[in-house]
Amino acid sequence: GAGVSQSPSNKVTEKGKDVELRCDPISGHTALYWYRQSLGQGLEFLIYFQGNSAPDKSGLPSDRFSAERTGGSVSTLTIQRTQQEDSAVYLCASGPTGFYGYTFGSGTRLTVV
Amino acid sequence: QKEVEQNSGPLSVPEGAIASLNCTYSDRVSQSFFWYRQYSGKSPELIMSIYSNGDKEDGRFTAQLNKASQYVSLLIRDSQPSDSATYLCAAWAGTYKYIFGTGTRLKVLA
Repeated sequence: GAGVSQSPSNKVTEKGKDVELRCDPISGHTALYWYRQSLGQGLEFLIYFQGNSAPDKSGLPSDRFSAERTGGSVSTLTIQRTQQEDSAVYLCASGPTGFYGYTFGSGTRLTVV
Repeated sequence: QKEVEQNSGPLSVPEGAIASLNCTYSDRVSQSFFWYRQYSGKSPELIMSIYSNGDKEDGRFTAQLNKASQYVSLLIRDSQPSDSATYLCAAWAGTYKYIFGTGTRLKVLA
């Protein structure tokens, strides 16, 4: 597609349930990033993919968070046993390898009740 | 010192004025910098990149990089109410990683 596509755009889930967030990057973009942004806060780096591999998972807040990328394209971020502090907007971005900046998707707003 | 620092604002300017947004950085980030604009409730949008010392102009936007003083600025000429947003400064930290500042909120008053 022309841009980075994320789904769902909004997700309300009960505490303790698992959720899966999807990101479909711009075709040909090898780099893919997940960020989290809480209300009124800056961007918190979660994980980076180069192709299908994730050289840096250091930003994942806990072992409840995991992510994968398949075929060098679509990525999913999974949060197990969601907690209220997981409520945030989860942003995906993709770009070419290197320091060229990248394009963000419109995000998934996650609300844990 | 944080790797990328911005004043959170809000920075208020009257319509038609020049808005000046500043960002300072540490030695731990490289010399490639980016400005993103984020409207309330929306995702960040890349508006400018600058790699070399000096000025880079694109329409009403000018990015300035001063390596000696370790700061990067974004000037918005003829500010419009539609420019009201949060502006995020980001630096390339090598290999793959970008470091974002916390953003400056700009309010252009009609």
